[in-house]
Amino acid sequence: DTGVSQDPRHKITKRGQNVTFRCDPISEHNRLYWYRQTLGQGPEFLTYFQNEAQLEKSRLLSDRFSAERPKGSFSTLEIQRTEQGDSAMYLCASSLAWIGGYTFGSGTRLTVV
Amino acid sequence: DAKTTQPPSMDCAEGRAANLPCNHSTISGNEYVYWYRQIHSQGPQYIIHGLKNNETNEMASLIITEDRKSSTLILPHATLRDTAVYYCIVDANNNAGNMLTFGGGTRLMVKP
Repeated sequence: DTGVSQDPRHKITKRGQNVTFRCDPISEHNRLYWYRQTLGQGPEFLTYFQNEAQLEKSRLLSDRFSAERPKGSFSTLEIQRTEQGDSAMYLCASSLAWIGGYTFGSGTRLTVV
Repeated sequence: DAKTTQPPSMDCAEGRAANLPCNHSTISGNEYVYWYRQIHSQGPQYIIHGLKNNETNEMASLIITEDRKSSTLILPHATLRDTAVYYCIVDANNNAGNMLTFGGGTRLMVKP
């Protein structure tokens, strides 16, 4: 297992378009997290899953954002009707419950033009 | 809200120890201190965590004061590759989700 994989690494889209990102966590990790990071800031929590259940969503996650983890393995984050303010790095992380320390992926950098 | 306070930036000479401080005066009894770092254009990387005892691993040492209100991350022999933003985070290591709250971190610059 090579860690947490995110695809694509970079995405440029026009305002108003929909985008979808994928995250493949470490296989034995049952928790999966999505974070967003803007330039010069620390990562901000968006949502997390334990297995296939989405257990927490941040207020940052507007109605245009939706995340799924259908079989408790990979996850997708979709942004509908993108806005310029959505431009950021979207980070995925996974962990085992009870055990400290996340493993982050390298992120997907979204640019909305 | 981030529960920690860190200096925004620090410099360190290559080969010397880098000591990164963190204040967490409102830490609760069940909260751990975590350290992550983020090298440019990469995701954050877990370094170490501890509750009240000092901890050491292959990457760093974590020194937590007896009252647990502050801690120091020590990189014993800093290299240029240690240049990164270092985040100190406090969180309860329980079944409640562990949604880590990142602050601004300390930008460590290791200089030749």
